[in-house]
Amino acid sequence: NAGVTQTPKFRILKIGQSMTLQCTQDMNHNYMYWYRQDPGMGLKLIYYSVGAGITDKGEVPNGYNVSRSTTEDFPLRLELAAPSQTSVYFCASSSSLQGDSYEQYFGPGTRLTVT
Amino acid sequence: QKEVEQNSGPLSVPEGAIASLNCTYSDRGSQSFFWYRQYSGKSPELIMFIYSNGDKEDGRFTAQLNKASQYVSLLIRDSQPSDSATYLCAVNRPSAGNNRKLIWGLGTSLAVNP
Repeated sequence: NAGVTQTPKFRILKIGQSMTLQCTQDMNHNYMYWYRQDPGMGLKLIYYSVGAGITDKGEVPNGYNVSRSTTEDFPLRLELAAPSQTSVYFCASSSSLQGDSYEQYFGPGTRLTVT
Repeated sequence: QKEVEQNSGPLSVPEGAIASLNCTYSDRGSQSFFWYRQYSGKSPELIMFIYSNGDKEDGRFTAQLNKASQYVSLLIRDSQPSDSATYLCAVNRPSAGNNRKLIWGLGTSLAVNP
């Protein structure tokens, strides 16, 4: 199992550009999450999904969009990139089996710089 | 009061010593507690989870939970320089229902000195 994979690893965007951060998991997890992590600020939840076709906003959704057409994939779309979106983005997934714990498994992250 | 609080550190211990990392949480309804390790420039990695009051041991790591005091800790015995990292405490959000969201602390930076 590859676990949770993310692409790209690094990206530099100009202000106003758009891009999609890709996230794929091969653990058949129903729950998936997008976080951003800024220095000293901890993990902030952007969006999450409880299954294919179901997504919802987290703490900091403005400027982002998501879709979940399959169990495996959960892409994050940045529209009109702004310097405030410079951050490290992590995708995570969690099992939905009854009795399973709530632990989340993380991808390696995407380091995004908007200039 | 923050929902999950950790001392930011840095916590500095000599090699071979016991490192003690602490975390308090505000929601008495929380049932699941997690410790993650994050090396600089890397993603968080699950070390341990605990659900019941008391101690849970895994190798050099022991998680301790006291629900009455709303306190969870992580002990690292025989600390090694490779344990130097930021340790994140996470707690389930009971009000999230079936959404399995976690509340994250800001992390404690640990430095193990050779």
